[in-house]
Amino acid sequence: EVQLVESGGGMVQPGGSLRLSCAASGFTFKNYAMAWVRQAPGKGLEWVSAISSSSSTQYYAASVKGRFTISRDNTNNMLYLQMDSLRAEDTALYFCAKDLFPNYVWYFDLWGHGTQVTVSA
Amino acid sequence: DTVLTQSPATLSLSPGERATLSCKASQSVRRYLAWYQQKPDQAPRLLIYDASTRATGVPARFSGSGSETDFTLTISSLEPEDFAVYYCQQRSDWPPLTFGGGTKVEIK
Repeated sequence: EVQLVESGGGMVQPGGSLRLSCAASGFTFKNYAMAWVRQAPGKGLEWVSAISSSSSTQYYAASVKGRFTISRDNTNNMLYLQMDSLRAEDTALYFCAKDLFPNYVWYFDLWGHGTQVTVSA
Repeated sequence: DTVLTQSPATLSLSPGERATLSCKASQSVRRYLAWYQQKPDQAPRLLIYDASTRATGVPARFSGSGSETDFTLTISSLEPEDFAVYYCQQRSDWPPLTFGGGTKVEIK
């Protein structure tokens, strides 16, 4: 089955860290760029980070640059998001998403169901 | 950053009616714009990319048009399952990839 399954979310205090994981299956993971997109409670979608298929290039939203690190393991079909120095405004449902085509179109045709991150004292 | 402004915020329509959703970009995104549908407690679903190309499996009642700064998503005749929130997304000027604020299509 073609799917993405996120894990690793939870509740953390401000300043803390979390590592999100996304397990991919049913497609040739190594061929596709991937991204993380978040959605704060009752709000719209916000792009967080993206990574090329070979990990050669990573991209970040200004709001997370320097605090979050995206990475991937093409051997084990995994995508990661290391989140440090977390803030209350990082509270959201975090989705991983797959690029539509192997040639970097940056539209997303496969999404996981999301993992909830809550930053609160 | 390219800001995408969607209107209206909420569209109240009945099944069978035509829905017209707007997405305006703060600068030209050429035709590099996508539309997504999101239902409550679900992940977004890609409907349209490159302004007017339907994604695999998307019904023909969904159509996209526009270029540069003005884009439209049209649902020709609303089905019960089409009541949802719709987002546009650009990939022309990035990073960052940006999404619009969304239009909620609700049952009148």
